[in-house]
Amino acid sequence: DTAVSQTPKYLVTQMGNDKSIKCEQNLGHDTMYWYKQDSKKFLKIMFSYNNKELIINETVPNRFSPKSPDKAHLNLHINSLELGDSAVYFCASSQDPRESNEKLFFGSGTQLSVL
Amino acid sequence: AQTVTQSQPEMSVQEAETVTLSCTYDTSESDYYLFWYKQPPSRQMILVIRQEAYKQQNATENRFSVNFQKAAKSFSLKISDSQLGDAAMYFCAYGDPRQGGSEKLVFGKGTKLTVNP
Repeated sequence: DTAVSQTPKYLVTQMGNDKSIKCEQNLGHDTMYWYKQDSKKFLKIMFSYNNKELIINETVPNRFSPKSPDKAHLNLHINSLELGDSAVYFCASSQDPRESNEKLFFGSGTQLSVL
Repeated sequence: AQTVTQSQPEMSVQEAETVTLSCTYDTSESDYYLFWYKQPPSRQMILVIRQEAYKQQNATENRFSVNFQKAAKSFSLKISDSQLGDAAMYFCAYGDPRQGGSEKLVFGKGTKLTVNP
């Protein structure tokens, strides 16, 4: 039973299109994240939500809009896709980082290719 | 801003041997977490080991152990008795717990580990 699942695993689309990536966690965690891994494998945080509230919003174009309908879901919508958006997008979740056993659980990633 | 540096883009080790992956970080905080994540070709990010900065004792998980030097801001990963399945990208990460109940991980650029039979 997958802890953090994201769909789709692969997404190929044309420049200018709008696309969404969905993420769900069944761990009962309060916090969810989106990370981006570029072609050089560099991972960088984009957003985090805690109980549906936006906590972290790094310098990300406003074409990227996260949406958290409930604390088990954090979807990522991307408008007007550009070539530079091609990357692997990872969803993750965690409980309270002040907990002593805190750690991030990652989904398996969505490889987005913009043509 | 915190930064994490992995100075070894690639490393290789013979099966059953020991290898150490380097990581240094920069922070002005005293309370934080450090992690090593493994990313095999399957792309899954797998937590290998975690260290709380307030703990002086080095974390260990079976064949994986760390050498945490807080004053030097160094956090190296030692893999003993290397196995073919250890071949992967290894990422060092710094975690900064926030009041809002969220955690921002800052990752290094990764070290690609090859295990030779």
